[in-house]
Amino acid sequence: GIQVEQSPPDLILQEGANSTLRCNFSDSVNNLQWFHQNPWGQLINLFYIPSGTKQNGRLSATTVATERYSLLYISSSQTTDSGVYFCAVVLYNQGGKLIFGQGTELSVKP
Amino acid sequence: EAQVTQNPRYLITVTGKKLTVTCSQNMNHEYMSWYRQDPGLGLRQIYYSMNVEVTDKGDVPEGYKVSRKEKRNFPLILESPSPNQTSLYFCASSSYRGRGSNNEQFFGPGTRLTVL
Repeated sequence: GIQVEQSPPDLILQEGANSTLRCNFSDSVNNLQWFHQNPWGQLINLFYIPSGTKQNGRLSATTVATERYSLLYISSSQTTDSGVYFCAVVLYNQGGKLIFGQGTELSVKP
Repeated sequence: EAQVTQNPRYLITVTGKKLTVTCSQNMNHEYMSWYRQDPGLGLRQIYYSMNVEVTDKGDVPEGYKVSRKEKRNFPLILESPSPNQTSLYFCASSSYRGRGSNNEQFFGPGTRLTVL
């Protein structure tokens, strides 16, 4: 089956620093999403980005579908950015199921 | 506000006592699904539904039932819960209609279930 790998697995930042999270996937995908799971366990949609680049405030994401990777950029990090970041993909023939990576756990220190 | 709601948010129960976790969405989405999240195993799909009266198994359907009698609701039923069903459960919905259609999925707030 498809492999979805995220790196790094853990990341500790000082408030104000920038970071890049990476998501590699092993097959062609129909959809890619980035989520933030906050410390209360809620999954927050960040980006729906099958290809191209999107920006939302301090966050932006780029997916290069032909090279099978996506990047999430966090600029000027804040303590509220802490949590786990997941990328998830959907295969063309899997009934819309999201396949999640194992996540990047981000901790932003004041 | 467009959202997916789940109830209850937290539940502690005992082995064998039937329970239902409700899920409702107000976005007129055709597609709904259930996932469970476990440490070390990540998020895995339990069941999904492409539309009313159409449901299908995901990766870990054993011990669960679902129904889709109305478009907006997709309850998850545990007929005889066991401790290995202790988990964090998420309901999700999207406007997905099949290959090529938009499949951005929106998640509910989660239900923390503990089975003693």
